[in-house]
Amino acid sequence: DADVTQTPRNRITKTGKRIMLECSQTKGHDRMYWYRQDPGLGLRLIYYSFDVKDINKGEISDGYSVSRQAQAKFSLSLESAIPNQTALYFCATSETTGGSGEQYFGPGTRLTVT
Amino acid sequence: AQSVTQLDSQVPVFEEAPVELRCNYSSSVSVYLFWYVQYPNQGLQLLLKYLSGSTLVKGINGFEAEFNKSQTSFHLRKPSVHISDTAEYFCAVSEPSGGSYIPTFGRGTSLIVHP
Repeated sequence: DADVTQTPRNRITKTGKRIMLECSQTKGHDRMYWYRQDPGLGLRLIYYSFDVKDINKGEISDGYSVSRQAQAKFSLSLESAIPNQTALYFCATSETTGGSGEQYFGPGTRLTVT
Repeated sequence: AQSVTQLDSQVPVFEEAPVELRCNYSSSVSVYLFWYVQYPNQGLQLLLKYLSGSTLVKGINGFEAEFNKSQTSFHLRKPSVHISDTAEYFCAVSEPSGGSYIPTFGRGTSLIVHP
């Protein structure tokens, strides 16, 4: 089984709808991240969490919110989706103790907002 | 603040030819460096990383990279590519100071291997 899973894998939604992307991990890592990938722009950090009670904004947090329900679960919400949020979204984890920032990625969620 | 520049957005190459994907970084402190690969319709996976020690780092699938501190570069190389190496490659840097280790990614280089 995959260490980092994301659901759904693909989603098409309409402008103005609320949508939640979910991420679960079995790696036992405390640190979790949400990234957005757009062609030619690489990966940009949306939010990150270093433990269940720690949530931090990343580079492009506007229009997004997150919830860390447990050490293993980190969900990303779009409160009112807009077309320019159409992108590929990745969840990732990393180690805390002795870590280097090496990221372990999920398979991604392709989101289309029409 | 750290930043990463991948100098080529796309690199076309013929099968069995050598390839170099270029990465330069900017940081005022010592860094950790990474290359990730993203195959079509998949997530990113680590190719190799430099944390300390030897500046020549070997990774999976025959790739290697050399850390050059004076030129602030971490270029990725493979002496002979295969069709299956066609993918998006991302360079990333993280700073160990402060303990956050949050990486910054480059914009990616699309390696296209032609038969």
